[in-house]
Amino acid sequence: GAGVSQSPSNKVTEKGKDVELRCDPISGHTALYWYRQSLGQGLEFLIYFQGNSAPDKSGLPSDRFSAERTGGSVSTLTIQRTQQEDSAVYLCASSLEAGAGANVLTFGAGSRLTVL
Amino acid sequence: DAKTTQPNSMESNEEEPVHLPCNHSTISGTDYIHWYRQLPSQGPEYVIHGLTSNVNNRMASLAIAEDRKSSTLILHRATLRDAAVYYCILTRPGKSTFGDGTTLTVKP
Repeated sequence: GAGVSQSPSNKVTEKGKDVELRCDPISGHTALYWYRQSLGQGLEFLIYFQGNSAPDKSGLPSDRFSAERTGGSVSTLTIQRTQQEDSAVYLCASSLEAGAGANVLTFGAGSRLTVL
Repeated sequence: DAKTTQPNSMESNEEEPVHLPCNHSTISGTDYIHWYRQLPSQGPEYVIHGLTSNVNNRMASLAIAEDRKSSTLILHRATLRDAAVYYCILTRPGKSTFGDGTTLTVKP
C-alpha cells in the first residue's frame, strides 16, 4: 500500500483479556518497528524486525508482549492478560532496511489501546 | 543508545523563523541525525536528516555543528500547522530511539 496501515485504530478491552494489533508495512520495506506511546510521553521502542534476521526484542516490557512478522511483511503485536498500564498508542513503522543509519521510518497512525 | 537532549517546549510567532536545538554529545562517527515531528493524534512523520553537512528540503533546514555534537532544525516561516512535537534522534543500523522531543507552540 501507499503507507503503513495499522488496525484496529481503537481497541477497548477488559483487564485480563488478550489483544492483537496488526501492522501492514509499506510494500518492499524490509524493516519493521513497534513503538509504544503513553499519554503525553515520547516513543518507547518495543521490537524491530529486519528481513529474515532474528528480531531485536530488547524493548518488550514483559513476557506478556510478543510479536511476529509473517512472510517478511505483516506483523502482529500480541499482548496477553492485558493490564491497565498497557493502555497506550501502539505505533508501527517500516523502512527500506534497518542496516543503514540513513534509513527513514514511515509511521502508521497507531492503534489506541484502552484497558478498563 | 546514543542520547539526544532537547528543550521540553518552545514558542514561536506565526511567519517567523524557528530554531529548534538538539544536543548529542555522545554521537559516533556513523550516526545519522534525524528529525521527525508528531502532529496531534498522528504518528510521527519524517522531516529531515543529515550526517555532516547542512541539509535543506522543502520542509526545513538542518544545521549540523562542525563537531557534530549538536544540531538545529530550522523552520524558515512557522505556520500554525507546524505546531507539533519535534524529535531529534540518532540513527545507526538497528533500532532508532526517540526521546521526549520539543513541543512547539505557534502563536498567531
